[in-house]
Amino acid sequence: GNSVTQMEGPVTLSEEAFLTINCTYTATGYPSLFWYVQYPGEGLQLLLKATKADDKGSNKGFEATYRKETTSFHLEKGSVQVSDSAVYFCALSDGNNRLAFGKGNQVVVIP
Amino acid sequence: DTGVSQDPRHKITKRGQNVTFRCDPISEHNRLYWYRQTLGQGPEFLTYFQNEAQLEKSRLLSDRFSAERPKGSFSTLEIQRTEQGDSAMYLCASSLAMGQGAQGAFFGQGTRLTVV
Repeated sequence: GNSVTQMEGPVTLSEEAFLTINCTYTATGYPSLFWYVQYPGEGLQLLLKATKADDKGSNKGFEATYRKETTSFHLEKGSVQVSDSAVYFCALSDGNNRLAFGKGNQVVVIP
Repeated sequence: DTGVSQDPRHKITKRGQNVTFRCDPISEHNRLYWYRQTLGQGPEFLTYFQNEAQLEKSRLLSDRFSAERPKGSFSTLEIQRTEQGDSAMYLCASSLAMGQGAQGAFFGQGTRLTVV
């Protein structure tokens, strides 16, 4: 079945540091890939997406590239801010109308 | 339209009681989804509707769970004879008919259920 794996554990880093959150997936066919973000006390928000291999999704300084050869969709940001503190979820949809999510990563940015 | 709204935001109930949650999707969205999220986990798909038709149900959706979407607008999720294992955040999402693969779904803030 379809599944998404995110790196274990929370991520704590200082303001202006470089952020990477790893995401790999298993799917049949050609899924669309997403990153969702959940700020404290708020609902899930779509951060960025990519619908085919080699596409790069970007938003708010975050980027992720759809790598079919490594089945990955790692999230990166060059210089994080305290306001980026949130939980980040990687997800896929293979056209069957269901989103399969990873477990999420708590990101804490320290001033 | 301010997005997907869910009501109530929090619900505490005693084991064995029935509960019902409501979701109002973005008005032009004809697809509506329910997910469940437990602590430390990502959301898990429960079921989805296109207009008023319930097109898919996860095996996670036991017989105690029922969802409806009369008239293809708002939806309700009812849990009968609640159990402590039902304690979770219940999330509603909506999208256009092109499906999640094209655009992603828009989520509400969820209903947090605590069964005591």
